[in-house]
Amino acid sequence: NAGVTQTPKFQVLKTGQSMTLQCAQDMNHNSMYWYRQDPGMGLRLIYYSASEGTTDKGEVPNGYNVSRLNKREFSLRLESAAPSQTSVYFCASSEARRQGGSPLHFGNGTRLTVT
Amino acid sequence: QKEVEQNSGPLSVPEGAIASLNCTYSDRGSQSFFWYRQYSGKSPELIMSIYSNGDKEDGRFTAQLNKASQYVSLLIRDSQPSDSATYLCAVKGDYKLSFGAGTTVTVRA
Repeated sequence: NAGVTQTPKFQVLKTGQSMTLQCAQDMNHNSMYWYRQDPGMGLRLIYYSASEGTTDKGEVPNGYNVSRLNKREFSLRLESAAPSQTSVYFCASSEARRQGGSPLHFGNGTRLTVT
Repeated sequence: QKEVEQNSGPLSVPEGAIASLNCTYSDRGSQSFFWYRQYSGKSPELIMSIYSNGDKEDGRFTAQLNKASQYVSLLIRDSQPSDSATYLCAVKGDYKLSFGAGTTVTVRA
């Protein structure tokens, strides 16, 4: 049982480049999330999806787009990377459709550096 | 005011002692409360959830919730070096889940 799988684990981008972070879960969870974690800031929600076909903005959505391809997969795209997007990105999933309705299961994270 | 506040630490405790972590929240209507542990360079993992006032014990961990005072705490009894990590408090309000910045705990042998 893999849980939540994120790729890639590390990425270095130049300012203006684009990339997509992939996330897949095999727990048949309804909700999926993308967070970023910066020192002293805790986890901040970028986007979440309560079910396939639906996505909603979180606390810090600017500069990002998401796609809930199916129940298993939720991708995060940076169209034009900026140094301010240097961070650790976590994908998470939960059984409940409502935020916080059930515990989150996190992927291993993607460490992104934008130069 | 941040929605969820935690003592930033670091909190240093000797092995075998009790580590006490506090978390306060601003949304009086908050319903669900979670504690996650995050080892350095790793992802958060759930260690406790609590939904009603009072204490909830799970092994060496005890979560305490006081909705009237809007705080939730985590006690780690008989602290071990393996408990050295950052502990994140998460609080569910009416429509969203908010995280605190975390408290870093170091258990010294």
